[in-house]
Amino acid sequence: DTGVSQDPRHKITKRGQNVTFRCDPISEHNRLYWYRQTLGQGPEFLTYFQNEAQLEKSRLLSDRFSAERPKGSFSTLEIQRTEQGDSAMYLCASSLVSRNYGYTFGSGTRLTVV
Amino acid sequence: GDSVTQMEGPVTLSEEAFLTINCTYTATGYPSLFWYVQYPGEGLQLLLKATKADDKGSNKGFEATYRKETTSFHLEKGSVQVSDSAVYFCALSETGANSKLTFGKGITLSVRP
Repeated sequence: DTGVSQDPRHKITKRGQNVTFRCDPISEHNRLYWYRQTLGQGPEFLTYFQNEAQLEKSRLLSDRFSAERPKGSFSTLEIQRTEQGDSAMYLCASSLVSRNYGYTFGSGTRLTVV
Repeated sequence: GDSVTQMEGPVTLSEEAFLTINCTYTATGYPSLFWYVQYPGEGLQLLLKATKADDKGSNKGFEATYRKETTSFHLEKGSVQVSDSAVYFCALSETGANSKLTFGKGITLSVRP
């Protein structure tokens, strides 16, 4: 068990470009979550999946954001037409619903839009 | 909507000092409450949790009691160590540990030798 892996660790992109992040959860975990964290703030919920089904999306997830978990394993988060306000740490976490242990977080992907 | 309010930081303490970090919440139902910790260079980790009123969560010498009457979940430790230096986040979930979490802003704790 290598924990929750996120790739890349850092991404610098120009405004207007598209970016995609990947999250590999703990293999037996069936729930996967995406959060966004800006400097000085706590993480804010974006969306979560149970297996391949996306069960809830935050109003923060505008139409420029899309998340997928095609086979119920890894997940991708894509941001289209990036804006400077998208600069943040994007956190992925996973959990096993049958055990009430809470999340395991990854170390995050830091996005900087210039 | 749900919200979590944490005391303003940062907090700097000497080793072996007593720690209290305040957390209050607003929720429509009876949420589960959590403290997460983020050590330098690492991801967030669950420190402790409580799922109903008067429950006490504890781990690594830290404790927090779910106080429904004051809507609070203050984190305490009797004697902090340098290794406790981290960012601490209070959070709540309306439907348990495997659902959406609402976090507070976090507070940075620095413990000096």
